[in-house]
Amino acid sequence: EIVMTQSPATLSVSPGERATLSCRASQSVSSNLAWYQQKPGQAPRLLIYGASTRATGIPARFSGSGSGTEFTLTISSLQSEDFAVYYCQQYNNWPPLTFGQGTKVEIK
Amino acid sequence: EVQLVESGGGLVQPGGSLRLSCAASGFTFSSYEMNWVRQAPGKGLEWVSYISSSGSTIYYADSVKGRFTISRDNAKNSLYLQMNSLRAEDTAVYYCARWGVIYSSSSGDYYYYMDVWGKGTTVTVSS
Repeated sequence: EIVMTQSPATLSVSPGERATLSCRASQSVSSNLAWYQQKPGQAPRLLIYGASTRATGIPARFSGSGSGTEFTLTISSLQSEDFAVYYCQQYNNWPPLTFGQGTKVEIK
Repeated sequence: EVQLVESGGGLVQPGGSLRLSCAASGFTFSSYEMNWVRQAPGKGLEWVSYISSSGSTIYYADSVKGRFTISRDNAKNSLYLQMNSLRAEDTAVYYCARWGVIYSSSSGDYYYYMDVWGKGTTVTVSS
């Protein structure tokens, strides 16, 4: 099973600042990685697939990068609606599909 | 509007059973693979099960294998999760999620993702 590890667990950022979230895989997942955003009481929402392709309707301030075992989700200028929990998920070697434990982006 | 709506959650005693349903609308359900994903209170996302578009291929997480059964009825645009021998650790919000795929002509790769999610149904296992 591929273990996904996200860091940090919590990221405190001021509105308008850049946020950088990391996701590490226990073995290479190539570019077969997705990012999801989840707000309290809501279902997750797809942000990024293929490590770097934004899903339909996702603002350009969200960008993904990386391949192999190291990945990054960057939010260039945080808006109030971006404060949420973010999960990475690999689909290179499954089952099982595996998620990271999440990074909470909170207001500083 | 593309939509998934889960139902069937509730309070059940340990060892009991529950059947979750997921009603799909706004897209050709029979063309899509589907997943169940759960989230325990205050915890992260955990993949539970996958079913192919025809139902011929099925996978389970080890934590539910032998106890849960995924199925679908394409004529009814519905996905199901039969949960037996429930344990306290099965307490969670259960989401159904569509498994989308796109081909990238630039890379020659297929990319997969859970692009449509329901709002979830809550399962509580407690005496």
